[in-house]
Order: sequence, then C-alpha cells, then structure tokens
Amino acid sequence: DADVTQTPRNRITKTGKRIMLECSQTKGHDRMYWYRQDPGLGLRLIYYSFDVKDINKGEISDGYSVSRQAQAKFSLSLESAIPNQTALYFCATSEHTRDKTMGEQFFGPGTRLTVL
Amino acid sequence: KQEVTQIPAALSVPEGENLVLNCSFTDSAIYNLQWFRQDPGKGLTSLLLIQSSQREQTSGRLNASLDKSSGRSTLYIAASQPGDSATYLCAVRYNFNKFYFGSGTKLNVKP
Repeated sequence: DADVTQTPRNRITKTGKRIMLECSQTKGHDRMYWYRQDPGLGLRLIYYSFDVKDINKGEISDGYSVSRQAQAKFSLSLESAIPNQTALYFCATSEHTRDKTMGEQFFGPGTRLTVL
Repeated sequence: KQEVTQIPAALSVPEGENLVLNCSFTDSAIYNLQWFRQDPGKGLTSLLLIQSSQREQTSGRLNASLDKSSGRSTLYIAASQPGDSATYLCAVRYNFNKFYFGSGTKLNVKP
C-alpha cells in the first residue's frame, strides 16, 4: 500500500464550486505539505503543517484553505474554484528532525483538478 | 528571490549511455537538495537527498553531487536504460520549510 495517498485522483468541476482534496499518510510523519504543479512553473508550495496545531501559508495560498484533522490527514479546500486553479496537486510529508538536517520529502500520486 | 534552474529541459540518449543532468540555484545558503523522478500521470519519487554538509550521494546507478559555492548540483546516471525515461526534478530547501523546485529535465532513453 502507498505511504501517501490522495483522493480523488481526478476531478472536474465548475467555476464557483467548493472542492476538497484529501491526503492521508501512513509514514508517521509530523510535517505535511500541499503543492500545485503547472507546466513550465515547477511545483509551488500552497500550505504546510508542522503538526496538527501548526499550519502555515506557503508561496501561493490565496484562494486555498487547509485543515489538519489528525497527524495522518491534511485536506486542501478551494472555497470557490476558478479556472486558473486548474493544475496537478500534490501532497507530501517529511519527518521531523532534531538537528538542522531536514528530512526527505515523500509525495503522493497527485490529484488532477480541472476547473471549467 | 531564490531560483532553481534545470538544463536541458529535454534530453534524448541511446540506451547504455552515461548522462548528467544539471541543477543550478541562485542562493548558496541551502539546507539540502533533493532529486526526484516523475513518471507521466504519477507522483514524485525521491531518488537522492543531499544535506548541505555533504558533497555527494549514491544510490545504485545514480550519483548526485552538490557544490554550494558554485550553486550547482548534478545527477549522474550510469548505463542508462529505457526504464530511466521520466522527468527528473531537483528541489532546493532554503529554509525551514520552503522547497523550491526546478522545472525538470525530461529524459528519453531510446532502446
């Protein structure tokens, strides 16, 4: 079984609809992330969470919100979807480390979202 | 603003050839650098992680090097195989929880 799972894998929706993308992990990691990938732009960080009580905005958080329901679950919401939010969305996790060496990131399979 | 650049954007080689993928970054004050591969329609698979204190990491036919002073990392793939065909991404961590990704190099290994 995959360590980081995302649902749904594909979603087509209309402008103005509310959408939730879900991420679950069995790696036991404290840190979770949401990214979006657009052709030619690479991956960009939307939100990240150090633990259940700690959520932080990333580079491109406008138009998005998140919820860390448990250590293993991190959801991304689009309150009112717009066409330029059409992208491939990835969830990732990393392990907490005590020193300044940062843990390796592990990615889910992605959710392809199309907003019409 | 920190930038991560990968050149070339695409590369096609015959099977068995050794090859090098390049990643450059503008700010040398990095925490670590991670190489990934991405297959079409799939997520990112971590290949190698190099901490800022390290010069290289090896895994099987893959070797990644890091030169912070010049702002460069290379991923060396030995004896390439068609199964190596994928897009390779490098990601640089600049501070506690910010990763900056390059746009990737799309590799095609011809049988």
